[in-house]
Amino acid sequence: DTAVSQTPKYLVTQMGNDKSIKCEQNLGHDTMYWYKQDSKKFLKIMFSYNNKELIINETVPNRFSPKSPDKAHLNLHINSLELGDSAVYFCASSQHLDRDRVRQETQYFGPGTRLLVL
Amino acid sequence: GEDVEQSLFLSVREGDSSVINCTYTDSSSTYLYWYKQEPGAGLQLLTYIFSNMDMKQDQRLTVLLNKKDKHLSLRIADTQTGDSAIYFCAESSLTGGGNKLTFGTGTQLKVEL
Repeated sequence: DTAVSQTPKYLVTQMGNDKSIKCEQNLGHDTMYWYKQDSKKFLKIMFSYNNKELIINETVPNRFSPKSPDKAHLNLHINSLELGDSAVYFCASSQHLDRDRVRQETQYFGPGTRLLVL
Repeated sequence: GEDVEQSLFLSVREGDSSVINCTYTDSSSTYLYWYKQEPGAGLQLLTYIFSNMDMKQDQRLTVLLNKKDKHLSLRIADTQTGDSAIYFCAESSLTGGGNKLTFGTGTQLKVEL
């Protein structure tokens, strides 16, 4: 059983198009994330949602719009795709836990969506 | 600011120990993580350490944390060819009610026969 799943796995599209990537987690977690990994393997957080509420929004162009219909899903819609958007996009999820009275949220990652903009 | 640094490459012989190093800057990080990424795959959580610990051992993996120097290391004993992958360290920080992971640049581990 897949814990964090993403669709599609591969996405090849033309510049200027609009596309969506979907993410689902069956771990019962309350927080979900989107990360971008560029061609140099550098990973950076884009967004985070907790209980369907946006809580982290890094400096990401307005063309990227996350949507969380429920706690188990976090989708990423990208408008007017550009060449620089080519990357691997990872979804992750976590559950807020308190250990030793300190917040700990181990994040579990999906397999990634490889986006290529031509 | 947040900046997590790792050396880019490490090459070891099968059976030797591998040591992957990481330096971070956010002294308020409460947890530090090691993730593994195999070619074409997602990130797999290997282990994590709480900031008030110096060491954590989990089978072939040993994590050492020097909080004073903000230095984290991952030692893999008896390295196998299946350990060839990119290893990322990550520090966690609370921001706006959420937990953000800042990843290092990744270390490509190559295990040779």
